[in-house]
Amino acid sequence: ETGVTQTPRHLVMGMTNKKSLKCEQHLGHNAMYWYKQSAKKPLELMFVYSLEERVENNSVPSRFSPECPNSSHLFLHLHTLQPEDSALYLCASSQHLASNQPQHFGDGTRLSIL
Amino acid sequence: QQQVKQSPQSLIVQKGGIPIINCAYENTAFDYFPWYQQFPGKGPALLIAIRPDVSEKKEGRFTISFNKSAKQFSLHIMDSQPGDSATYFCAASIGGSARQLTFGSGTQLTVLP
Repeated sequence: ETGVTQTPRHLVMGMTNKKSLKCEQHLGHNAMYWYKQSAKKPLELMFVYSLEERVENNSVPSRFSPECPNSSHLFLHLHTLQPEDSALYLCASSQHLASNQPQHFGDGTRLSIL
Repeated sequence: QQQVKQSPQSLIVQKGGIPIINCAYENTAFDYFPWYQQFPGKGPALLIAIRPDVSEKKEGRFTISFNKSAKQFSLHIMDSQPGDSATYFCAASIGGSARQLTFGSGTQLTVLP
């Protein structure tokens, strides 16, 4: 599978650590997304980038900081996280933000905050 | 209202059975309804999607039924197989835009051999 790749697959960090999640898409897409997936809850859209510009920030705490250096790469920088931030973080991409553009998801990073 | 309510939370059927997963929404501006399938350790993958101008859409063994007046839509899996065991998410958006995609809470389906 070479569509959307996320690294690392698992991450355990303390509340005072700083780490980054990486997402890379090889599909030539122009839009990229970060989602948070918690057990038995709907996927929560965190950030949306289109052509490397952030177009959506769904009231996400500032301890999460996204970065999109180019249309193929997306990062989520983490610092001073809380235990409730433990979740699966999914990256997705789509051709555009326009109608009927399916999202292609990566397999996620399982984040555990100690 | 942006919420999409999905039920049941979990579902167990025998091989060959027809599991049905239901979703309901309030926002009448929603006009694109995709379903995603997620296997353990994997990200969600688009399974099938429908627009409200049709009442039913079939792709292989998967069928979406849509009831616009009731603001409900459902996923039926015909002749279910153990390989269909996964978590299924319904979603809805306005104008098909991924920017405003709202997900249901998911249904964990188990198909027994």
